[in-house]
Amino acid sequence: QKEVEQDPGPLSVPEGAIVSLNCTYSNSAFQYFMWYRQYSRKGPELLMYTYSSGNKEDGRFTAQVDKSSKYISLFIRDSQPSDSATYLCAMSADSNYQLIWGAGTKLIIKP
Amino acid sequence: EAGVTQSPTHLIKTRGQQATLRCSPISGHTSVYWYQQALGLGLQFLLWYDEGEERNRGNFPPRFSGRQFPNYSSELNVNALELEDSALYLCASSPWAAGNNEQFFGPGTRLTVL
Repeated sequence: QKEVEQDPGPLSVPEGAIVSLNCTYSNSAFQYFMWYRQYSRKGPELLMYTYSSGNKEDGRFTAQVDKSSKYISLFIRDSQPSDSATYLCAMSADSNYQLIWGAGTKLIIKP
Repeated sequence: EAGVTQSPTHLIKTRGQQATLRCSPISGHTSVYWYQQALGLGLQFLLWYDEGEERNRGNFPPRFSGRQFPNYSSELNVNALELEDSALYLCASSPWAAGNNEQFFGPGTRLTVL
């Protein structure tokens, strides 16, 4: 079993829909949770960074962490075609340790 | 502020050859990370350098090696190339080792092994 599981998709939704992307993990020591976005032929870019449990909102994006269920989510409101990309989750137990990555979910927003 | 840069953009080699990939971190960043992203496999951690020292390496054979120079730029060397080494190699940097959760990525070098 991988430490971090993420459905590779693709997930295809119509423009304007609310998108929910998820990762599950097995290591209860993880405390730092990140979402990266990767466009085709580009490097990943950091979207959201949360520590421990709870929600964090930034514009149309909301990151949610449920440590009791070992489950994290990224919600995208009013999705746009420009949101079409691969979304990777990453997490670590401590800022001194390497990140553990999900495989990424390919998201397609249809105009 | 200039981002992380990588060179070359594309590299084509034949099996058994050696490949050298280069990375320049964001100015002021001391940590450099290397990842392999093969099609459909997500990011696989290769190496982490900070202040010129190798801090950690992923589950890759010794023919994957690298170094970090005094100016914090880094080089990844892959010896005895195999077909399955074909992938996008990504370099990332962070301000310091203790802040390695926020990594800033370059555009990658696409290595093709024929």
